[in-house]
Amino acid sequence: KAGVTQTPRYLIKTRGQQVTLSCSPISGHRSVSWYQQTPGQGLQFLFEYFSETQRNKGNFPGRFSGRQFSNSRSEMNVSTLELGDSALYLCASTLGTGAPNTEAFFGQGTRLTVV
Amino acid sequence: AQTVTQSQPEMSVQEAETVTLSCTYDTSESDYYLFWYKQPPSRQMILVIRQEAYKQQNATENRFSVNFQKAAKSFSLKISDSQLGDAAMYFCAYSPVTDKIIFGKGTRLHILP
Repeated sequence: KAGVTQTPRYLIKTRGQQVTLSCSPISGHRSVSWYQQTPGQGLQFLFEYFSETQRNKGNFPGRFSGRQFSNSRSEMNVSTLELGDSALYLCASTLGTGAPNTEAFFGQGTRLTVV
Repeated sequence: AQTVTQSQPEMSVQEAETVTLSCTYDTSESDYYLFWYKQPPSRQMILVIRQEAYKQQNATENRFSVNFQKAAKSFSLKISDSQLGDAAMYFCAYSPVTDKIIFGKGTRLHILP
């Protein structure tokens, strides 16, 4: 079956702009989580969506938002981009029903560069 | 707060040797899952091994095994017979039964030929 698909793979944006990233989970998976990966910081949790509802939220400013559609596809939006937002953004999908289905499957990520 | 700590930012091991990556976590939960994920350079993150906290037996997957010490909240990964393809960033992760997965900052593993 198809894996987790993230688009686009690479993005270059200017400070102050906004950006939307997309994630299509594995078919049948209802939970999508977003992570920001930067050197030295590891993966920092942004938020998790399950059945179109935000179930968990990390410690990021309100400029970071997301949503999930009825087909479980998710989008993440970052407004008023700052240089520090440059990172690899990873999307992970899980069945979402808890143990023993907690294993997360990751997409290849979107590399965002803010200049 | 639930946290995951990987105290070794980088490690190196000779090919065919054994290496152990350390991980500690902090939680007040009694039931949870622990994972080791591997992220090869410019490639997708994949699950290496998982451990259910209620199981005392350490998980093993071929050359990969864990040493799970629940009381000490320690979860180390042992890689036996290291191969060049094992070179990657390794992330330790923790998840309560029905909550988000929390990752450590990672350990970059180099395999020396």
